[in-house]
Amino acid sequence: DVKVTQSSRYLVKRTGEKVFLECVQDMDHENMFWYRQDPGLGLRLIYFSYDVKMKEKGDIPEGYSVSREKKERFSLILESASTNQTSMYLCASIGYIHNSPLHFGNGTRLTVT
Amino acid sequence: AQSVSQHNHHVILSEAASLELGCNYSYGGTVNLFWYVQYPGQHLQLLLKYFSGDPLVKGIKGFEAEFIKSKFSFNLRKPSVQWSDTAEYFCAVSADFYNAGNNRKLIWGLGTSLAVNP
Repeated sequence: DVKVTQSSRYLVKRTGEKVFLECVQDMDHENMFWYRQDPGLGLRLIYFSYDVKMKEKGDIPEGYSVSREKKERFSLILESASTNQTSMYLCASIGYIHNSPLHFGNGTRLTVT
Repeated sequence: AQSVSQHNHHVILSEAASLELGCNYSYGGTVNLFWYVQYPGQHLQLLLKYFSGDPLVKGIKGFEAEFIKSKFSFNLRKPSVQWSDTAEYFCAVSADFYNAGNNRKLIWGLGTSLAVNP
């Protein structure tokens, strides 16, 4: 069974801190995604990556960057955390096998104070 | 631009009631359609999906959805809900996901929160 693991379930950081959110998948998936989930706003795509060292901006990339040095790992970086980045962050992955769904991690609830 | 609209933001039902959650999308080409569910405290998981073929799709836990191309709709149904169906439900659409090159993005609805009273 596919497993997408996010390193932290809960994080509390201070304004201005640099924050790293880590995501690892164990199914050799080419595509990985970072979303944020906020009440009433659904899921919004921050960044995605379709291959190692490749990345594409999603709908709300401002204030974020990503890193994909290895196929199984996709990191989301908040260069200088702000209170409006308090949110639930979801990582997902998918391969190229037809009809396979997007697999999600359990999420990281980040609070920026 | 592609968009997905879920008509109901909050739904409250009693056990054994029937459920229908609406989902409409805007895109004229070939689409792949998904319903995901997020139970309290759990990760998002796939409920069902439509890629091609029979427009009536059956998923897990007794859910089904019907793709009506002429109405750009993919409504989710369950004949008799249970307390354990309390969750948030998301509809998502992709433009021919597996032939989209590097554009493997899903467009998500805002979600519907379902509460089932025992």
